[in-house]
Amino acid sequence: QVQLQESGPGLVKPSETLSLTCTVSGGSISSYYWSWIRQPAGKGLEWIGRIYTSGSTNYNPSLKSRVTMSVDTSKNQFSLKLSSVTAADTAVYYCASWVWLLSGVGWFDPWGQGTLVTVSS
Amino acid sequence: EIVLTQSPGTLSLSPGERATLSCRASQSVSSSYLAWYQQKPGQAPRLLIYGASSRATGIPDRFSGSGSGTDFTLTISRLEPEDFAVYYCQQYGSSPPIITFGPGTKVDIK
Repeated sequence: QVQLQESGPGLVKPSETLSLTCTVSGGSISSYYWSWIRQPAGKGLEWIGRIYTSGSTNYNPSLKSRVTMSVDTSKNQFSLKLSSVTAADTAVYYCASWVWLLSGVGWFDPWGQGTLVTVSS
Repeated sequence: EIVLTQSPGTLSLSPGERATLSCRASQSVSSSYLAWYQQKPGQAPRLLIYGASSRATGIPDRFSGSGSGTDFTLTISRLEPEDFAVYYCQQYGSSPPIITFGPGTKVDIK
């Protein structure tokens, strides 16, 4: 059973770059899409973007200018970098597998447990 | 970009009652591209329904999804104590490839 675990600093200073890694265990990272989703406290879910194991990416247009995703198949990991962060980027960040069938059906499953990132000086 | 609206914002019901949650899209969505998730406090969301009406593995049959076009519904036939949570709908837009979530419906105990 595939499991995902986020890791990275819990505190980032304003204007700096947020960096998180998601480690995939119990299965191979290859030939799948992987996503990042965030959730500010008490608010809803916001999709940040997805990456295929080839390195192909799609980002949320609202964050595209600040987001970079990468994948390291040798380590079964994928990563998120969000630059020029502000307090508005404070949120729980989840990594998740985006399952996408040829028929077009798609969903997020499984999810990591989430990691809280606070932007503060 | 397709915007999802969920109603009501909060649904107050008692265990054993039927819950009907609505998800409306700003433009037509393929049924294949609509999913529902449940989120409990302090937990990651859990997939309930994909393709608008297919239950995910291990999801009880009291959960059902329906709808097409711009109007989708998640129904919980008889609420169990563990069903009180926030529910999100999610859609995938293929051109451009953007994934969006609705704002959520909280089902709480009356």
